[in-house]
Amino acid sequence: KQEVTQIPAALSVPEGENLVLNCSFTDSAIYNLQWFRQDPGKGLTSLLLIQSSQREQTSGRLNASLDKSSGRSTLYIAASQPGDSATYLCAVYHGNQFYFGTGTSLTVIP
Amino acid sequence: KAGVTQTPRYLIKTRGQQVTLSCSPISGHRSVSWYQQTPGQGLQFLFEYFSETQRNKGNFPGRFSGRQFSNSRSEMNVSTLELGDSALYLCASSLMSGARNTDTQYFGPGTRLTVL
Repeated sequence: KQEVTQIPAALSVPEGENLVLNCSFTDSAIYNLQWFRQDPGKGLTSLLLIQSSQREQTSGRLNASLDKSSGRSTLYIAASQPGDSATYLCAVYHGNQFYFGTGTSLTVIP
Repeated sequence: KAGVTQTPRYLIKTRGQQVTLSCSPISGHRSVSWYQQTPGQGLQFLFEYFSETQRNKGNFPGRFSGRQFSNSRSEMNVSTLELGDSALYLCASSLMSGARNTDTQYFGPGTRLTVL
């Protein structure tokens, strides 16, 4: 069964710092990997989608990489802002469904 | 373009009752997936519907069921509610389904179900 792990579970950084969130998965037979953010009590907002044949995707201050063979993905956030405070989830499409990690709770301190 | 909408946003039920949740996908999207989110288990896949047919199902008991209508709107039903069913129920829509799902999933705000 596919298992998705995210490290760290929580992270607190001062505003302006660059940071990296990690996601690992146990079965490399994935179709794609998606990063989401979730604000308290709300649904998920898609940030980046990486197809299995791609190595990375970029959107603004966000860059996500995918190393399928090692079962890892990273989400790089440049010049963090207080508005980036949220829980970040990664999900992999494997078999017939998405499998989600448990998330990294990010707090950016002004 | 309107996003994914879910109704109701909040529900309080008692054990043994049943509940129906509704999800309206983004216009043109034919796939609707349902997820349960709890602090202990995180986000877990319930099932996916595409063109009114259940395509995939997660590891949940038969008390959890769903359906999809011709306009792609979907409903999820939970019968004989248990305390452990208290969770945030999220639905997500996308253009396609399954292995052809190279599209982004768009999530609704969720329905917060509390079982007393």
